[in-house]
This record gives sequence, structure tokens and C-alpha cells, in this order.
Amino acid sequence: DIQMTQSPASLSASLEEIVTITCQASQDIGNYLSWYQQKPGKSPQLLIHSATSLADGVPSRFSGSRSGTQYSLKINRLQVEDTGIYYCLQHYSAPYTFGAGTKLELK
Amino acid sequence: EVQLVESGGGLVQPGRSLKLSCAASGFTFSNYYMAWVRQAPKKGLEWVATISTSGSRTYYPDSVKGRFTISRDNAKSSLYLQMNSLKSEDTATYYCARLSRTMGHYFDYWGQGVMVTVSS
Repeated sequence: DIQMTQSPASLSASLEEIVTITCQASQDIGNYLSWYQQKPGKSPQLLIHSATSLADGVPSRFSGSRSGTQYSLKINRLQVEDTGIYYCLQHYSAPYTFGAGTKLELK
Repeated sequence: EVQLVESGGGLVQPGRSLKLSCAASGFTFSNYYMAWVRQAPKKGLEWVATISTSGSRTYYPDSVKGRFTISRDNAKSSLYLQMNSLKSEDTATYYCARLSRTMGHYFDYWGQGVMVTVSS
């Protein structure tokens, strides 16, 4: 199975700050990587697909990048509504596996 | 507007069975792979099952293989998850999700989730 190592587990940042969350895949998954945001009591919402493509309706301050088997989600100019838990997902091969999540809070 | 509405959750004893349903609307259901993803209380996300457009192909992780069965009724735009031999570790919120038709099969829409509690 492909392991997704996500870091950090938690993060506290200030408004307007730049935030970066990373996921390291245990093997090559190409661009079969997506990012999700989950707010308390809600279902996950797609942010980024294909490693770097912004999902419809997602603010442009969110972006995704890839360097080899390391994937990053960047949030420029953090806003209040960006708090929540973020997950990466590899959908290159079954079993599909999620990262453990990053809890993002405002400082 | 894409909508996925799960139902059928509840409290069930260990070893018993439960069937979840997901009613889809706002898109041509028969054109999309579908999946179930679960989340144990205060835990992360776990993929549970995927089904092809026709239902002829299904995929499961080892944790549920042989106990869970995903199925669909394209005429009713409905997805199902039959869960047998339930264990306490199956306690979770279960989400129905649509898989994208573009590169790869990421989950582009999710339902609101339904809670399943396995306890005596």
C-alpha cells in the first residue's frame, strides 16, 4: 500500500500569513494527488486535484505543487474561513490512502 | 446542483448487518464511478469502497473486503453499501462520494455523511 506522510499535524498561523502543508508519498504517484478541506461537523470539500489544479469555486489563494513524491498545499494570505482540517489523498492505486490530516487554526 | 444524500445509519450490535443508501441528483449518475469513505470519531478519512459505472467492477481495502459490498442502481440514481459482520472498529461517519471523470478518480463531491455506531 502507498503511504502518505502528511505534515505538520497541526498548525497555528496569523491572518494574512502564508501557510504550507506537505504530503510525502511512499512511492511514485504521478499527479494523482488531491487536497481536501474539512470544517467541523461537515463533509470534506475538494480544493486541489491532479496535484496542481484548483477545483471549481475554490479561492485563488489556494495552490498545489509537486516536487518528485512530495506534494504541497499553499495558502496565501490566510483568512478566517480557512481554519479546519486538511487532507491529502493519493488516487494512483488502490487502496486509495489519505494523509493523517493537518489541523489549521488561527493564532 | 450535485447532491448526495446518505441514509440508513444507526446503532447496530457487533456481528450484525446494516445497509446504507445514497441518493444522487443533479448529474447523470450512470456516468460516474462512486465510492464510500468513512471517518471514525475524531479520526482521519479512510476509503471503503469504489464501484464502476455499470457496477461490474468493485474495489475494497483489506479492512472491509469480504464483509462490505458496494452496489448501485442506475435507474434509481442510488448507491448502496451492505455491511455485514460489523465490528466496533467500523463505527464511523460514512460518506458517499462521486469520483471525477477527469484525470484519475479523485472525490469531487461528497454527501453530508451518515453515522454508524457498532456497539452492544
